[in-house]
Amino acid sequence: GESVGLHLPTLSVQEGDNSIINCAYSNSASDYFIWYKQESGKGPQFIIDIRSNMDKRQGQRVTVLLNKTVKHLSLQIAATQPGDSAVYFCAETYAGNMLTFGGGTRLMVKP
Amino acid sequence: DAGITQSPRHKVTETGTPVTLRCHQTENHRYMYWYRQDPGHGLRLIHYSYGVKDTDKGEVSDGYSVSRSKTEDFLLTLESATSSQTSVYFCAISGQGRDQPQHFGDGTRLSIL
Repeated sequence: GESVGLHLPTLSVQEGDNSIINCAYSNSASDYFIWYKQESGKGPQFIIDIRSNMDKRQGQRVTVLLNKTVKHLSLQIAATQPGDSAVYFCAETYAGNMLTFGGGTRLMVKP
Repeated sequence: DAGITQSPRHKVTETGTPVTLRCHQTENHRYMYWYRQDPGHGLRLIHYSYGVKDTDKGEVSDGYSVSRSKTEDFLLTLESATSSQTSVYFCAISGQGRDQPQHFGDGTRLSIL
C-alpha cells in the first residue's frame, strides 16, 4: 500500500543506468546526514550515512556526496536495478539533536 | 532487518474511540520513537523515549500519549481518535543517541472514520 506522499519529485531511469538523487538542506550547522530508502508498504530502510568531516562515502553500489558550501547532499546509485525502485529521502541533524527528515524523491526504474 | 514489530499493521476505527499502537523491539536499544507519515509532510516525530519511563514530546504530540514500562515496548495511545489522525504510524529505534541512525518498523496504517 501507498505510504508516502503522492506528489513527490520523481526520477525515472533506465535499468543499468546510474541514478543521482539530490537533497538540499538549510541548516549550515548540520553535521550528520543519512539516506533512507522506503519501498511501498514498508518502513524506511537505512542506506548510508556521512558526517560533515567527510565529502564522500561509498557503500555497495551507492555513494553519498556532501557539499557543505552549497548545503547539498546527493545519493548516487550505480547500475540501477528494478529493486531500487522506491522513495529515497535524506535526514540531517546537528549537535546531537533529533533527526529532521526531507520529503523524498521517488525513483522509478524502467526495465 | 532490525528486530522491530509493530502491531496492529492495519486498523480501522471510529472517531472518538481510544486506540493503542504497540512497538516491540528485540535489540535492547535505548531510544524509541513514534512518527506519523502523511502525504506532503514526510516523517514527523510524535513522541520519543530515551529509557524506561522516560519520554518526551516531538513536533506533533497533541492528541497523543506514550508509555514505556519495559525497554522492549513503546506504546502510542490516541485517547479519543479524530479523523486528522488518520495516517501511517512508524516506530523507530536507535541505540546510541538521538543523532544516530534510526531503524524503522514496517508501520501501522490507521484509518479513523
